[in-house]
Amino acid sequence: ETGVTQTPRHLVMGMTNKKSLKCEQHLGHNAMYWYKQSAKKPLELMFVYSLEERVENNSVPSRFSPECPNSSHLFLHLHTLQPEDSALYLCASSQELSRPLHFGNGTRLTVT
Amino acid sequence: AQSVSQHNHHVILSEAASLELGCNYSYGGTVNLFWYVQYPGQHLQLLLKYFSGDPLVKGIKGFEAEFIKSKFSFNLRKPSVQWSDTAEYFCAVNALSFNKFYFGSGTKLNVKP
Repeated sequence: ETGVTQTPRHLVMGMTNKKSLKCEQHLGHNAMYWYKQSAKKPLELMFVYSLEERVENNSVPSRFSPECPNSSHLFLHLHTLQPEDSALYLCASSQELSRPLHFGNGTRLTVT
Repeated sequence: AQSVSQHNHHVILSEAASLELGCNYSYGGTVNLFWYVQYPGQHLQLLLKYFSGDPLVKGIKGFEAEFIKSKFSFNLRKPSVQWSDTAEYFCAVNALSFNKFYFGSGTKLNVKP
């Protein structure tokens, strides 16, 4: 049990679909993150929220849209994705920015 | 651009061998340093961290890492590996003035029983 729960674990979607990834943290942390993990590449930071405000947007394509309704929940809304977006999407939280990250198990996304 | 380099992508060792995984970063300011481990089928977990003080830090499961500021390095070591150490290891640097975590591309460690 990581304290950070991601659903679904696996997702297959077509390029015209719209889907959402969900992340929930039970640790009382103030910061939440989305990372993309592709084979043989460093983890790519996508979005950072601190106290429900977005503090980082790393030039991510607009087909990825984050939402942080409260400090415990984080969503990643997906639409018109490309096959190269297939990857493991990791959610993480931390007590505050710069503190150690606690990761969820990830959502394995396949875009067909 | 800031970066974190892990030079070994794949390491194969026999049990009881000593381990050293290299990590270098390119940021010149104040940093916090981390090693994360991902066991097969599991989530990324914190192995150890350096914030300040003694540059030799000890983590869980007998791992340690040494911060050498002049070399911008934070290498991970373990004197005697076990089969259960088979996992992927990620070095991460938090550049404090940017408040961003930068990760290396990971090193896969296979320990043969």
